[in-house]
Amino acid sequence: KNQVEQSPQSLIILEGKNCTLQCNYTVSPFSNLRWYKQDTGRGPVSLTIMTFSENTKSNGRYTATLDADTKQSSLHITASQLSDSASYICVVSDSGGGADGLTFGKGTHLIIQP
Amino acid sequence: DTAVSQTPKYLVTQMGNDKSIKCEQNLGHDTMYWYKQDSKKFLKIMFSYNNKELIINETVPNRFSPKSPDKAHLNLHINSLELGDSAVYFCASSQDLGGGDTQYFGPGTRLTVL
Repeated sequence: KNQVEQSPQSLIILEGKNCTLQCNYTVSPFSNLRWYKQDTGRGPVSLTIMTFSENTKSNGRYTATLDADTKQSSLHITASQLSDSASYICVVSDSGGGADGLTFGKGTHLIIQP
Repeated sequence: DTAVSQTPKYLVTQMGNDKSIKCEQNLGHDTMYWYKQDSKKFLKIMFSYNNKELIINETVPNRFSPKSPDKAHLNLHINSLELGDSAVYFCASSQDLGGGDTQYFGPGTRLTVL
């Protein structure tokens, strides 16, 4: 059964600090992995998408890495800001295509404190 | 200039009632989705709809029925509401049905069944 596990479940850091969120998956065959940011009371917004051949991708202060061999991904946030407070969701797609091939993680709830 | 919009934003109703949630996208996408996010913030896909073809998630009770009058709209009708239906429902759209397409989410509809 395809699964996506994220850690930690929640994280509190001070403004300006860096942090790294983890995503481990067992989805097979693998097609791509995305990170979404979901602000409280809003819908998820795509941050990055990586395919099998990509091992890093950046979007501003967000940098995602992918190790397809160990089936792990991380999302690194540099110089955190108060607006980074949100849930971060890892989503893995299998190569079958279609929305039913998407497996969602439960998210990491990140709180940035001033 | 909203890309994916949903109405209503909040919906409070009694058990046993029938209700509908509307979704519209102005992105010109061919595919639309409905997701359910429970109290633990776990996103689960319910339906996807591509060019008038409905793809049903078999774990969804048949009390839930999506209706798409055209490519830009996908409404969700729920019959005989139950307490367990309380959740946030997100509509999303993507250019195509493939797992590689970025999905754009609406702001969500918080349904509370009393």
